[in-house]
Amino acid sequence: GESVGLHLPTLSVQEGDNSIINCAYSNSASDYFIWYKQESGKGPQFIIDIRSNMDKRQGQRVTVLLNKTVKHLSLQIAATQPGDSAVYFCAENDGGSQGNLIFGKGTKLSVKP
Amino acid sequence: EPEVTQTPSHQVTQMGQEVILRCVPISNHLYFYWYRQILGQKVEFLVSFYNNEISEKSEIFDDQFSVERPDGSNFTLKIRSTKLEDSAMYFCASSGTGLNTGELFFGEGSRLTVL
Repeated sequence: GESVGLHLPTLSVQEGDNSIINCAYSNSASDYFIWYKQESGKGPQFIIDIRSNMDKRQGQRVTVLLNKTVKHLSLQIAATQPGDSAVYFCAENDGGSQGNLIFGKGTKLSVKP
Repeated sequence: EPEVTQTPSHQVTQMGQEVILRCVPISNHLYFYWYRQILGQKVEFLVSFYNNEISEKSEIFDDQFSVERPDGSNFTLKIRSTKLEDSAMYFCASSGTGLNTGELFFGEGSRLTVL
């Protein structure tokens, strides 16, 4: 079946470095993608989203890149801070669904001081 | 800052018992969702709700599950006869304009443990 997946389950970076978290998706009909951050014991927290008519979107310290050719999504975090330590999930709206977000397995980001 | 609130934060129940998980979405939101996350696994969609009816549901959301908006503020998930495999964190979410035009705001979750 079609699914969203992540290349790396864990990522450890030094404080101040940039982080890149990758995600592959396979449902070519999906047109909306979101990155969520989940801290231990909490619900997913929205970070940034991107629609399929865009290749790149920037937020505060975060950038999402979308490559529709290879069905790849990435999240770049600039100047990573200890507070960025969490599990990061990419999610897609299942083939344009109005409510069904398909989440990837998650990448755990650990920031070393 | 407005937030989605969920109760209880943790519920332990015996297999076969009924469970109701409660959610108070953000007050002016119109779209409501339940997701679940089995420990160590990814977040999975259960159901979406709009205009007092289910919009979409996943294959997980079988006839043991139901949702209700009993009043203007609460949104509940009921599991009629819990099974061991229902043990998970259940997240409620709401949106003002629907998934494709805005973000989903998630609550902090209700942990359900079925013994």
